Amino acid sequence: ETGVTQSPTHLIKTRGQQVTLRCSSQSGHNTVSWYQQALGQGPQFIFQYYREEENGRGNFPPRFSGLQFPNYSSELNVNALELDDSALYLCASSLHSHPRTGELFFGEGSRLTVL
Amino acid sequence: KQEVTQIPAALSVPEGENLVLNCSFTDSAIYNLQWFRQDPGKGLTSLLLIQSSQREQTSGRLNASLDKSSGRSTLYIAASQPGDSATYLCAVGRETSGSRLTFGEGTQLTVNP
Repeated sequence: ETGVTQSPTHLIKTRGQQVTLRCSSQSGHNTVSWYQQALGQGPQFIFQYYREEENGRGNFPPRFSGLQFPNYSSELNVNALELDDSALYLCASSLHSHPRTGELFFGEGSRLTVL
Repeated sequence: KQEVTQIPAALSVPEGENLVLNCSFTDSAIYNLQWFRQDPGKGLTSLLLIQSSQREQTSGRLNASLDKSSGRSTLYIAASQPGDSATYLCAVGRETSGSRLTFGEGTQLTVNP
């Protein structure tokens, strides 16, 4: 068991709506990263958070935003949802001693469907 | 830009067979390489992590090798079982990129009883 928990597990939204996904990192891990996995594809890096600040971002527009809290849990927010945002959103935690990184542990993901 | 390729995209084998999954990457300046397993609709389970200074890692029936200079890694599964059926993903990380992993598209493995 990885210890990374995500909620909700499934949700359905309509175009233009906003969504918030939540992640609790594994105990002792101070870095959280988010990935988007479209059906049949490998996960794509969205961004990571370290010490409550965004510390690296992939090729995603600003309507994808996030937060990390003092207890290292995290949120992913997506505004103005588009059909192509339908995907499995994965959260991963790791113990990060900047700049080196260690093994990533993933949660079970949140399956978002945009209609 | 790092690109990761996994071959084959799908593989079907009879139970008991030994098999090799391949992963290649275009930029050899990696910090580590991680192999994951993903069951349908589920998250990723970490199988093996190889640091750039290492050549291989083993866990049970799994052995992963890394040849950084040639941009290749292989995952060897011994005595395959139906429970090994899943998608196997390879991902590489760079030292300066924190938790940013670049993934391949995976190999979908089916082990037939």
